[in-house]
Amino acid sequence: DGGITQSPKYLFRKEGQNVTLSCEQNLNHDAMYWYRQDPGQGLRLIYYSQIVNDFQKGDIAEGYSVSREKKESFPLTVTSAQKNPTAFYLCASSTIRTANTGELFFGEGSRLTVL
Amino acid sequence: RKEVEQDPGPFNVPEGATVAFNCTYSNSASQSFFWYRQDCRKEPKLLMSVYSSGNEDGRFTAQLNRASQYISLLIRDSKLSDSATYLCVVNSLTGGFKTIFGAGTRLFVKA
Repeated sequence: DGGITQSPKYLFRKEGQNVTLSCEQNLNHDAMYWYRQDPGQGLRLIYYSQIVNDFQKGDIAEGYSVSREKKESFPLTVTSAQKNPTAFYLCASSTIRTANTGELFFGEGSRLTVL
Repeated sequence: RKEVEQDPGPFNVPEGATVAFNCTYSNSASQSFFWYRQDCRKEPKLLMSVYSSGNEDGRFTAQLNRASQYISLLIRDSKLSDSATYLCVVNSLTGGFKTIFGAGTRLFVKA
């Protein structure tokens, strides 16, 4: 079945460590996104990519990095520079058409806790 | 002022009740509008799009008022399974594509 797979679902990290969250999609979508969700807040865009080898900063890109070497994959690295990394991270994808209309397809999320 | 604002709730209603959520947006250039549903500790999923003429999907009715810049979602005959957080989502193409999520309204439907 087509879909978006995020891993790991749960991750614990010590302060000062970088971690990479995986996001893979087999929907043949051009656009991929990373969002962060904190309790009581809406989703906030970290990075997005509309084509391979290109990506753009979202509203809260500081302390994060991404790559888009393949259409199917859009990993997110949470670096030690991110001051409050504990959050629920959601990866999403869309076609360019559905991007223009706002319909996004989400993975199940990765919950990162910094100890 | 937030770009998309929702009443956080929670709304506590009995089964069978009718409940309405409102959402306001600040960007008058916004072009498309959606309601997403998010279950506890799960990913958001598209519930329905919102059209200017209003649209209905079973027990759910969504409406858009561009003049007042608000969107509404009406749920009739609430079920226990409707308990979730409902996210208002606004999309605009000003300066590039931008999708803004509201913080969500929590609904609890009780037996």
